[in-house]
Amino acid sequence: NSKVIQTPRYLVKGQGQKAKMRCIPEKGHPVVFWYQQNKNNEFKFLINFQNQEVLQQIDMTEKRFSAECPSNSPCSLEIQSSEAGDSALYLCASSLSLRNTEVFFGKGTRLTVV
Amino acid sequence: GDSVTQTEGLVTLTKGLPVMLNCTYQTTYSPFLFWYVQHLNEAPKLLLKSSTDNKRTEHQGFYATLHKSSSSFHLQKSSVQLSDSALYFCASDSGYNKLTFGKGTVLLVSP
Repeated sequence: NSKVIQTPRYLVKGQGQKAKMRCIPEKGHPVVFWYQQNKNNEFKFLINFQNQEVLQQIDMTEKRFSAECPSNSPCSLEIQSSEAGDSALYLCASSLSLRNTEVFFGKGTRLTVV
Repeated sequence: GDSVTQTEGLVTLTKGLPVMLNCTYQTTYSPFLFWYVQHLNEAPKLLLKSSTDNKRTEHQGFYATLHKSSSSFHLQKSSVQLSDSALYFCASDSGYNKLTFGKGTVLLVSP
């Protein structure tokens, strides 16, 4: 069973609404990733953190998403103004280090923007 | 940037037959390759990983060998089972453990 916990499993939002999802990484894992998996099952990297600091993010994330990983609280990813094209499975993952260690995924939050 | 290519979108097989799912890659740095399996409504899980050239790695009956000369990391199994029906992703480490994924291959095993 996945030890990366994502909530909610399903999220339905109207266009223009905020959509927020949360992730509790595996215990002791300081590195957290967010990926978007579209309806064609393709993955897109969104952002990663080490502890509370952002390491890398793509342009889309910087402009339209708000993400954080506060200490002692779940990580979160929020779309500021949802668009139809944001409908996807959002996967959170964590790892023990930044190099060549196993990355563990959660089951994802499936966002539908209507 | 890095890229991973999986040529088959869908593979359908009868149980008991062998399977090979293709994966080729282009990486900026020394390659570290992975195979992940994702069952329906489940989290992707690591199946195999390798950074060692020409060394076979095995797990749960699946195996793969990283060949740097041909930039390949094909996934194989000698005899597929019904429970192997799932989505399979090849991925490479693009730095900072960030994964670049292929488009995925759906494996459907019939009785």
